[in-house]
Amino acid sequence: DQQVKQNSPSLSVQEGRISILNCDYTNSMFDYFLWYKKYPAEGPTFLISISSIKDKNEDGRFTVFLNKSAKHLSLHIVPSQPGDSAVYFCAASAGQAGTALIFGKGTTLSVSS
Amino acid sequence: DGGITQSPKYLFRKEGQNVTLSCEQNLNHDAMYWYRQDPGQGLRLIYYSQIVNDFQKGDIAEGYSVSREKKESFPLTVTSAQKNPTAFYLCASSGWSGANVLTFGAGSRLTVL
Repeated sequence: DQQVKQNSPSLSVQEGRISILNCDYTNSMFDYFLWYKKYPAEGPTFLISISSIKDKNEDGRFTVFLNKSAKHLSLHIVPSQPGDSAVYFCAASAGQAGTALIFGKGTTLSVSS
Repeated sequence: DGGITQSPKYLFRKEGQNVTLSCEQNLNHDAMYWYRQDPGQGLRLIYYSQIVNDFQKGDIAEGYSVSREKKESFPLTVTSAQKNPTAFYLCASSGWSGANVLTFGAGSRLTVL
């Protein structure tokens, strides 16, 4: 049973607009949530994280929002750029550091100019 | 520069052969991980190791084996018992930070002929 779900396989956005990527989770024990970006044939790169005790974290164009009551988080990218076109993975961590992350299936973002 | 090196980048194997994927890190991280990526499946955990000479099975460990004799190295062997070995394999490592951010290598593409 999937503990981290990304229900939208793909998203298309115009350059300059906002991209919103969504993620749902089932395990209330998760204490950190992370977003990774991945280009084809490369390893994922870390984008931004949020602790379960926060509801928002911002880093430049990227903002992550966490709604614990709904077990939902979202990544906002503003403004979107063509270079943002990639697969975005939501991941969650429970317990001590050194515990493996649990990943969603990813959402492919396409930003057109 | 600190990072994770995976080799080889591309590997072809005949059915019935074992193959070993190399993963080396110079980040002084204690924990190391192996994930597998298949189209539409996200990243699935094969094995992880939190400390030298110790490792744990992930969700899809059947047909794989690992060793952790040195802190810097975590090789993965894909055995002939793995039913569908063709995939993109990703190695990662992490330190003891609260958010448990994983740093990934560039990946190894294994194709069984």
